[in-house]
Amino acid sequence: KQEVTQIPAALSVPEGENLVLNCSFTDSAIYNLQWFRQDPGKGLTSLLLIQSSQREQTSGRLNASLDKSSGRSTLYIAASQPGDSATYLCAVRSNNAGNNRKLIWGLGTSLAVNP
Amino acid sequence: NAGVTQTPKFRVLKTGQSMTLLCAQDMNHEYMYWYRQDPGMGLRLIHYSVGEGTTAKGEVPDGYNVSRLKKQNFLLGLESAAPSQTSVYFCASSYRQTANYGYTFGSGTRLTVV
Repeated sequence: KQEVTQIPAALSVPEGENLVLNCSFTDSAIYNLQWFRQDPGKGLTSLLLIQSSQREQTSGRLNASLDKSSGRSTLYIAASQPGDSATYLCAVRSNNAGNNRKLIWGLGTSLAVNP
Repeated sequence: NAGVTQTPKFRVLKTGQSMTLLCAQDMNHEYMYWYRQDPGMGLRLIHYSVGEGTTAKGEVPDGYNVSRLKKQNFLLGLESAAPSQTSVYFCASSYRQTANYGYTFGSGTRLTVV
């Protein structure tokens, strides 16, 4: 059974720091992995999607990597800003056709970037 | 470019009342999903649909029903609301089993059952 874990659960950093959020999964048979951002009281915004055949994806100050063999993905945020404060969720799309390739979610990392 | 639209955004129900949450997407996605999000438990799949006229149970389907009469709409119904159904509900959609695309989420419905 696929399980997704995100560490740390919460992170507080001063503005300008580069930071790394971690996501680990137990079954390497994944279809893709997606990082989302959720602001308090709001919906989920897709940040980056990495296909199972890819190693990384980049969008602006964000870079997500994927290592299927070790069951890990990292989200790197460069030069953090207070506007980056949010909860970051990792979701793995299973490659198991029996599960209709459903998303398995981590509990998220709550990030606070302090001015 | 509406994406996924959920209505209503907020609702307060009394125990035993019924309601329907509407999800509409304009991206021609085949798959649609209903999730609930509760503190400390993450997102849990309630029901999903792989196409018009089809529905399937997710992790926590009890107390909910769904219908997908049109490809663009996915309805979530609560026949007799209970306080345990107080939650934030999210609808999402995706293309069918395509690695290039991810999920698109609506902005959520905050439901309180008193």
